[in-house]
Amino acid sequence: AQSVTQPDIHITVSEGASLELRCNYSYGATPYLFWYVQSPGQGLQLLLKYFSGDTLVQGIKGFEAEFKRSQSSFNLRKPSVHWSDAAEYFCAVGARFGNEKLTFGTGTRLTIIP
Amino acid sequence: DAGVTQSPTHLIKTRGQQVTLRCSPKSGHDTVSWYQQALGQGPQFIFQYYEEEERQRGNFPDRFSGHQYPNYSSELNVNALLLGDSALYLCASSSGTSGPYQETQYFGPGTRLLVL
Repeated sequence: AQSVTQPDIHITVSEGASLELRCNYSYGATPYLFWYVQSPGQGLQLLLKYFSGDTLVQGIKGFEAEFKRSQSSFNLRKPSVHWSDAAEYFCAVGARFGNEKLTFGTGTRLTIIP
Repeated sequence: DAGVTQSPTHLIKTRGQQVTLRCSPKSGHDTVSWYQQALGQGPQFIFQYYEEEERQRGNFPDRFSGHQYPNYSSELNVNALLLGDSALYLCASSSGTSGPYQETQYFGPGTRLLVL
């Protein structure tokens, strides 16, 4: 069965600092991996996705993520965070394809301090 | 281009009642998935509908049922509500054709259900 682990429940960074959110997955085949962001009281917005090919993927809002098969990781990064990046971030793995069942991690809450 | 819409936005029910939540998919999408997000947790997959049939199901009891209409809109029904059913219910739409690069699920804003 597939699973996703987000080891950091809560991260606080200063505005303008760099950010890395960790995600580890467990899946038997080539995974379909996603990062979603959720602002308070809102639904989920897709930041980026990895299906195959280049292991460094670019997303919206200046985010990027790197797929490392050897480490079963798909960490999310941003070189300089903005106050508007404060939100909950979820990593997810797709069953077979991206449009089928998604298994989510428990999320990482990001707080930005001035 | 309208995104995924859900109704109602909020709902309060009492234990034992039944509830129906509604979802309209993004334009061009024919597949609808439902997720339950308890407070402080990640979303959990309930089921997915494609061509008016349940295509996949997660680990939820039969109290959770659904329907998809010919226009691809969908309903989630929950019978005999329990306190533990209180959650944000998210609908996601996608293209039903499976295959690499076939999409991504786009999520609606959710319906927040409170069971008292």
